[in-house]
Amino acid sequence: RKEVEQDPGPFNVPEGATVAFNCTYSNSASQSFFWYRQDCRKEPKLLMSVYSSGNEDGRFTAQLNRASQYISLLIRDSKLSDSATYLCVPNQAGTALIFGKGTTLSVSS
Amino acid sequence: ETGVTQTPRHLVMGMTNKKSLKCEQHLGHNAMYWYKQSAKKPLELMFVYNFKEQTENNSVPSRFSPECPNSSHLFLHLHTLQPEDSALYLCASSHPNSYEQYFGPGTRLTVT
Repeated sequence: RKEVEQDPGPFNVPEGATVAFNCTYSNSASQSFFWYRQDCRKEPKLLMSVYSSGNEDGRFTAQLNRASQYISLLIRDSKLSDSATYLCVPNQAGTALIFGKGTTLSVSS
Repeated sequence: ETGVTQTPRHLVMGMTNKKSLKCEQHLGHNAMYWYKQSAKKPLELMFVYNFKEQTENNSVPSRFSPECPNSSHLFLHLHTLQPEDSALYLCASSHPNSYEQYFGPGTRLTVT
């Protein structure tokens, strides 16, 4: 079983739309979670860290449901520049981060 | 951003060459990582160093040889590579306790 499951997409949305990605994780020992974004042929960049029930930063909101073992990322008022692959990365103490394939978002005008 | 730098950014080498990739972090972190990303594939963890000591080797072939002389610098020495080793090689660093990793821009390697 994969450590995380994400719908690979692509999610194709118009500018201004609200889009949500879900991520389910298998290891209940995961203590914190990170959302990274990766542009084509570039390095992943940390978007948001989630240590408790959720986090919000401007147009981006992450929510964690430990009972159901999933974490979501909501993007409001999508911009063209939001087009990227979004990676959900759970963290367990003492282990390096393991990255999956992520979810691809394409925002069009 | 200059938190984590990598050189060179692009490298083309033959299968008999020896080259080295360099990573430097200016964030005061104590853990450093090498990842490999082949086209349209997820990142694959290669090596982990904590306080200059290698703590993880993810079954990487011996033609890849890492070196961590101090907490700010990480090298990946390459020799007798294969064409399938062509990929983006990413370096990252973090505080061991927080685990938020910050990546360098990567070295795009092509083995001919």
